[in-house]
Amino acid sequence: EAGVAQSPRYKIIEKRQSVAFWCNPISGHATLYWYQQILGQGPKLLIQFQNNGVVDDSQLPKDRFSAERLKGVDSTLKIQPAKLEDSAVYLCASVPKGGQDTDTQYFGPGTRLTVL
Amino acid sequence: AQSVTQLDSHVSVSEGTPVLLRCNYSSSYSPSLFWYVQHPNKGLQLLLKYTSAATLVKGINGFEAEFKKSETSFHLTKPSAHMSDAAEYFCVVSDWGKLIFGQGTELSVKP
Repeated sequence: EAGVAQSPRYKIIEKRQSVAFWCNPISGHATLYWYQQILGQGPKLLIQFQNNGVVDDSQLPKDRFSAERLKGVDSTLKIQPAKLEDSAVYLCASVPKGGQDTDTQYFGPGTRLTVL
Repeated sequence: AQSVTQLDSHVSVSEGTPVLLRCNYSSSYSPSLFWYVQHPNKGLQLLLKYTSAATLVKGINGFEAEFKKSETSFHLTKPSAHMSDAAEYFCVVSDWGKLIFGQGTELSVKP
């Protein structure tokens, strides 16, 4: 079974530029999460999708961050404009739809963003 | 609110010696607890999870953790460290499906 795919793996931009990250979850996984992991810290949830609907975006800085999952499969996370403090690894995770594993999140390799 | 506290930011052991990574949790109800490992430039990998079944949970690569309600702890152990165990380890609590991560413990393994 293929894992969670993310691209790009690395991105360097200047502040005030925009950037987008892409995530393709494991096939059949209905729930998708985006996390931000700042260096030296644990990941923090940004947004949770169930199929193509937003379940929780309370921690998403909506003045600059946006995310969508239009067809309930892959998802994009966008930052516009980027700030220096957005430098972090952005992780995508997905969860199986049913069975005994519905509380286990499977993570992608992440996108490391550097804002100069 | 649910939370976890990892008591050590860095642990260093010699290869072949036991590993102990400490985690305390705070929860208003019986929690689901996890340990994840993150190798450099790799994604997070689930080591093990506790979901109110057996209090001693066995995971992958020889790791195990014991849920102690009286101590609100969920420490991760391994009898004998291997060089490949060097990584960042996260203790995690699930809050209605949302994962709340600890700050992480970096494990170094000396030859």
